[in-house]
Amino acid sequence: DAGVIQSPRHEVTEMGQEVTLRCKPISGHDYLFWYRQTMMRGLELLIYFNNNVPIDDSGMPEDRFSAKMPNASFSTLKIQPSEPRDSAVYFCASSRQAVGQPQHFGDGTRLSIL
Amino acid sequence: AQSVTQLDSQVPVFEEAPVELRCNYSSSVSVYLFWYVQYPNQGLQLLLKYLSGSTLVKGINGFEAEFNKSQTSFHLRKPSVHISDTAEYFCAVTPARGGSEKLVFGKGTKLTVNP
Repeated sequence: DAGVIQSPRHEVTEMGQEVTLRCKPISGHDYLFWYRQTMMRGLELLIYFNNNVPIDDSGMPEDRFSAKMPNASFSTLKIQPSEPRDSAVYFCASSRQAVGQPQHFGDGTRLSIL
Repeated sequence: AQSVTQLDSQVPVFEEAPVELRCNYSSSVSVYLFWYVQYPNQGLQLLLKYLSGSTLVKGINGFEAEFNKSQTSFHLRKPSVHISDTAEYFCAVTPARGGSEKLVFGKGTKLTVNP
């Protein structure tokens, strides 16, 4: 049973460049979440989708961040233009739409903006 | 709104010693509670969850947690830890109103098991 798959695992790029992070949720899961983890701020929820529709994007830091879910098996998180303070580990998670279902996390993308 | 407080940011223990990682939550509605573990360079994995019923919940790797509604706590325990338990542990809550919505996480507790 494949878990949540994120790509790339590591990304190093220069300030100002566009960055695209990708996520494939577990098949059959209805919810998809994007998180950011840093030493200073811990684990932050950026945005989540239900059945491919964005439900809550209040955690997206600013307009430079955007997320899409064009279909049930794929989502992207884009940063344009990127800044050094965006350096973090970005996690994608998915879950089923049922009472008390846990979220299943991918292994994350470690992003470094130089 | 919900909030989670993990009282200890770091917990060092010796191998085979017992450990308790503390978690307190705040919520005006009933909640479901979760503990996740994060090993280095990996995502979070579910350790255990409390939805209803028995307040003592057993999870993977010998961990257990006890839900205490009056003290709004959900502390994680293991009677004898191994070196391999070294990881960061996160407590999380979500409103128990049905469906799977966003989790509110604590800031995590780093458990270091020393030989």
